[in-house]
Amino acid sequence: ILNVEQSPQSLHVQEGDSTNFTCSFPSSNFYALHWYRWETAKSPEALFVMTLNGDEKKKGRISATLNTKEGYSYLYIKGSQPEDSATYLCAFQAAGNKLTFGGGTRVLVKP
Amino acid sequence: DGGITQSPKYLFRKEGQNVTLSCEQNLNHDAMYWYRQDPGQGLRLIYYSQIVNDFQKGDIAEGYSVSREKKESFPLTVTSAQKNPTAFYLCASSRGQGVKNIQYFGAGTRLSVL
Repeated sequence: ILNVEQSPQSLHVQEGDSTNFTCSFPSSNFYALHWYRWETAKSPEALFVMTLNGDEKKKGRISATLNTKEGYSYLYIKGSQPEDSATYLCAFQAAGNKLTFGGGTRVLVKP
Repeated sequence: DGGITQSPKYLFRKEGQNVTLSCEQNLNHDAMYWYRQDPGQGLRLIYYSQIVNDFQKGDIAEGYSVSREKKESFPLTVTSAQKNPTAFYLCASSRGQGVKNIQYFGAGTRLSVL
């Protein structure tokens, strides 16, 4: 079983502040790294899929970077808003279609 | 509306009973997946299917069974052999080909033991 870890497990952010958190994954046999957002009472939704070392993706105030050589990805939220409150999941994809998920980072943005 | 439908939303199992969780998709996706989530943990893969009439065990298949007789449907049976079935179960589907294997999820079924 592959080891995909996310840290921290949870964090509280004041509205308007920026924050970031980490996903670490195996640096060998890399194929893609996925980020999902999972809001309470909803289904997880894909945010980004990254495949190349040095990739950067952006969607509104949320962005992500990828370092496949050292096996980590950062997700950044700029100017956090209450609607950013969710659990953010990363998932490692080796060759093939299976995803191995991390434990998630639960973000709570306080007004 | 295209998407994945899981039913029921809540399910209760008695000791020694088998229960079946339904998952239907109308996205025309080839691949389907079942995950389990326990409190404070990530999603763990139970079973997956990349094509009709074929499926593979995931990381925690013991005590579960699946079938894939139709492209749209991938039901999960939690058998009496699963001694700790209380969890949140998510079904997902994907095109299943190529690098961008983005998965689309249902709303989940919460299973509890009576």
